[in-house]
Amino acid sequence: QVTLRESGPALVKPTQTLTLTCTFSGFSLSTSGMCVSWIRQPPGKALEWLALIDWDDDKYYSTSLKTRLTISKDTSKNQVVLTMTNMDPVDTATYYCARTSGYDFTFDYWGQGTLVTVSS
Amino acid sequence: QSALTQPASVSGSPGQSITISCTGTSSDVGGYNYVSWYQQHPGKAPKLMIYEVSNRPSGVSNRFSGSKSGNTASLTISGLQAEDEADYYCSSYTSSSTLNNYVFGTGTKVTVL
Repeated sequence: QVTLRESGPALVKPTQTLTLTCTFSGFSLSTSGMCVSWIRQPPGKALEWLALIDWDDDKYYSTSLKTRLTISKDTSKNQVVLTMTNMDPVDTATYYCARTSGYDFTFDYWGQGTLVTVSS
Repeated sequence: QSALTQPASVSGSPGQSITISCTGTSSDVGGYNYVSWYQQHPGKAPKLMIYEVSNRPSGVSNRFSGSKSGNTASLTISGLQAEDEADYYCSSYTSSSTLNNYVFGTGTKVTVL
């Protein structure tokens, strides 16, 4: 059974750095074709893909947010970490991690999401 | 990277069929058969409904079907049911050094009348 769970602060101040952790089970990020993505959704708005890390430790980022994002993995802990620097109120959103197939490029399993509010 | 274009809302009566469009470009929808569709109920995480344009994951009702023509993909829900009322998002893979690797649609709210 594949499960993912996001964890991190619910509230961050403007200019601070956000660190989110995705803890997963039911698959290994060392298996060929396995990837984990981060996706966010501002309240009432559409989904936005942020970043992806694959089984080979290759990393891909949203072009508009590339300078602010870092994604990393700890295969032994089954965790993927996303950091986003210089947070702004417009970054207020629910942040999801999702297992992603490197073969059919599908987000097939999602975490429940974690709401991050950026406010002073 | 622009989002894929979807109608803001689509509605139908129980038992009817509805179709949601998802329009992109030759760099995403038109260039790859890696279009997927997600259903999202309020306050819940998205759920995969269709992948690779027209494939259904195990457990997804066969009332949901997908297709693509040129730069536009479509999701059809037949025999509309009350439980189908939700937001729907398309997504496509892209491949370019200057574009995101993935792009989502603007989202469509489906209302069952």
